[in-house]
Amino acid sequence: DAGVTQSPTHLIKTRGQHVTLRCSPISGHKSVSWYQQVLGQGPQFIFQYYEKEERGRGNFPDRFSARQFPNYSSELNVNALLLGDSALYLCASSLGVRATQETQYFGPGTRLLVL
Amino acid sequence: RKEVEQDPGPFNVPEGATVAFNCTYSNSASQSFFWYRQDCRKEPKLLMSVYSSGNEDGRFTAQLNRASQYISLLIRDSKLSDSATYLCVEGFQKLVFGTGTRLLVSP
Repeated sequence: DAGVTQSPTHLIKTRGQHVTLRCSPISGHKSVSWYQQVLGQGPQFIFQYYEKEERGRGNFPDRFSARQFPNYSSELNVNALLLGDSALYLCASSLGVRATQETQYFGPGTRLLVL
Repeated sequence: RKEVEQDPGPFNVPEGATVAFNCTYSNSASQSFFWYRQDCRKEPKLLMSVYSSGNEDGRFTAQLNRASQYISLLIRDSKLSDSATYLCVEGFQKLVFGTGTRLLVSP
C-alpha cells in the first residue's frame, strides 16, 4: 500500500513569492496534519484537517493557510515567503480526528528553500 | 521554558552498548507521549508510544514519570542501524516535538 505522498520533493523560491505544497494521505486516513521542520529542530505543528475542516492550528502567521479536499488530500499555502520559511514541510496522516492519540504517518516532506 | 526538552547529543556509543535518553515536558495536562525516530534527511517514524506503566518493544524500553514530567528511552544492545535522531513527543491538543537526540553507534 502507498504511504503518505508529498509533492514537490524540493522547491526553490524567492522572498515575497507564494508556494503551494501538496499531500495525499494513506488510503482510508481522514486526518492530515502539516508540520514545519527547520534544520536542527523538531517538527513544529502548523495545521490539522479532518473531514475537510480545520481541527487545529499552531502558532504560525496568517501567511500560512491550508485546506483539505473531499478525497482527503491537502494543500498547504504560504504567501509572502520569508527567508525564515526555508524548512522541511512534513505532512502526516492518521485515521481519525484525535491526531494526538493515534500514530501519525509522515510523508517524505517537501524541502523549501527561500532565497 | 521549552515545551519538550531533550539533550541534543550526539551520544556516541559502541555496538552492544546500552544507552538512555531522557526528555522533560512542561504541559502537565499532556495525555499522550511518543518516541519517534528520524534518519538523516528522512521523515520521522513512530518508534513507540509511551505508557504510564512503562512499555518494552524488543531492545527498546520507554518509561513515563508523570510526577516529574519526564520520559525516557532505553536502548539495549545497540546496533549500527540504531544511529538516528530520536524525537520525544507529547500530545495534548497537538503533538509537540522535542529537538531530538542524536545517537551514533560505532563498530
